[in-house]
This record gives sequence, structure tokens and C-alpha cells, in this order.
Amino acid sequence: EIVLTQSPGTLSLSPGERATLSCRASQSVSSSYLVWYQQKPGQAPRLLIYGASSRATGIPDRFSGSGSGTDFTLTINRLEPEDFAVYYCQQYGSSRYTFGQGTKLEIK
Amino acid sequence: EVQLVESGGGLEQPGGSLRLSCAASGFTFSAYSMTWVRQAPGKGLEWVSYISSGSNTIYYADSVKGRFTISRDNAKNSLYLQMKSLRAEDTAVYFCARVVTTYYYYLDVWGKGTTVTVSS
Repeated sequence: EIVLTQSPGTLSLSPGERATLSCRASQSVSSSYLVWYQQKPGQAPRLLIYGASSRATGIPDRFSGSGSGTDFTLTINRLEPEDFAVYYCQQYGSSRYTFGQGTKLEIK
Repeated sequence: EVQLVESGGGLEQPGGSLRLSCAASGFTFSAYSMTWVRQAPGKGLEWVSYISSGSNTIYYADSVKGRFTISRDNAKNSLYLQMKSLRAEDTAVYFCARVVTTYYYYLDVWGKGTTVTVSS
């Protein structure tokens, strides 16, 4: 089973700064199956990035995804107040879906 | 509007059963695979089960295999999760989500969730 490890666990930044979130897989993951979600308290997750680097419909271009193999990154440029939330990476492989444990992006 | 609405959650004793439902609208339900994802209080997301559009392919997380059964009724635009032998660790918000399975695999539409509490 592929394990996804996200780092850092918590990231404290100010609006206007850049956030860099990491997702590392225990073995190689197809980029086509690497996804990022955003979740705010009391809400369902929201699709941000699919295929490691493709933005979902309606997602601002300050959100970008990159990476391949075992190392993937979500970058959020020019943080807006509404970007502070928990971010999860997720992959599909071997007939199962796996989520990382999440990175909490909090206001400094 | 594309929408998923879960129902059926509640308080159940350990060893009991519950059946969750997910009503889909605004899209051709029969054309999409579906999945259940849960989130224990204060914890992260955990994938639970997957069912293909025609119910031909079904997967379960090891944590629920043999206890939970996923099914769907395309005529009723509905997804189900039958949960048996419930344990305290099954306490969570359960989300249903639409699965895109083209060249890419991702969950693009989510319901708001239904809460399951397993406690005596």
C-alpha cells in the first residue's frame, strides 16, 4: 500500500506570502493519479489540482501543482485570507485511494 | 446544479448497523463511478469504498472489508453504504463523492457529509 506523507504538518504564513506544501509517496505514483484538495472547517473537501499539475475548474491560478515519481508539491502564491485551510494530497493505485495526513495552513 | 446529498447517519451502538444513502442530481449518475470517504473527528480523510458506474468493480479499504457493503441504484440516482458490526472507530463524517476515471483519477464533486456516531 502506498503511503503519502505530507509536510509540514502545520504551516504558519501571512497573507501575500507563498506557501509550499509537500507530499511524498512511499513508492512511485503515477502523476495522472495525484490530486490535491482543500478543506475548510465544517466543509467537504474541494478539488484543487488533479493529474499533479492541472487546476480544477474555478481554481485561481495562484494555485499550482508540480512533481513526479514520489515527490509532489502544491504551491500557493500570494496567499489570500480564504486560502487558510487544510490541504490533502491523494493518490489512486492498486485498487485503492490513499490520502496524506494533511497540512494545516494557518495565518501567522 | 451538480449535487450530492448524504443521509442516514446517526447514533448507533457498537455491533449495530446503519445504511447511508447518497442522492445524486444534476448529472448522469449512471455514467460515473462513486466513492465513500470518511473523516473521524479532528482527523484526516480516509477512503472507505469505491463502486464503478455499472457496479462491476467494487473496492474496500482494509479497515471496513467484510463489514461494509457499497451499492448503487442507477434508476434512483442513489449510492448506498451498508455498515454492519459497527465499531467506535467507525465514528466519522461520511462523504460520498463522484469519481472521474478517465486518463486522470480524482474526486470532483463531494456531498456535505452525514455523521455516524458509534457509542454505547
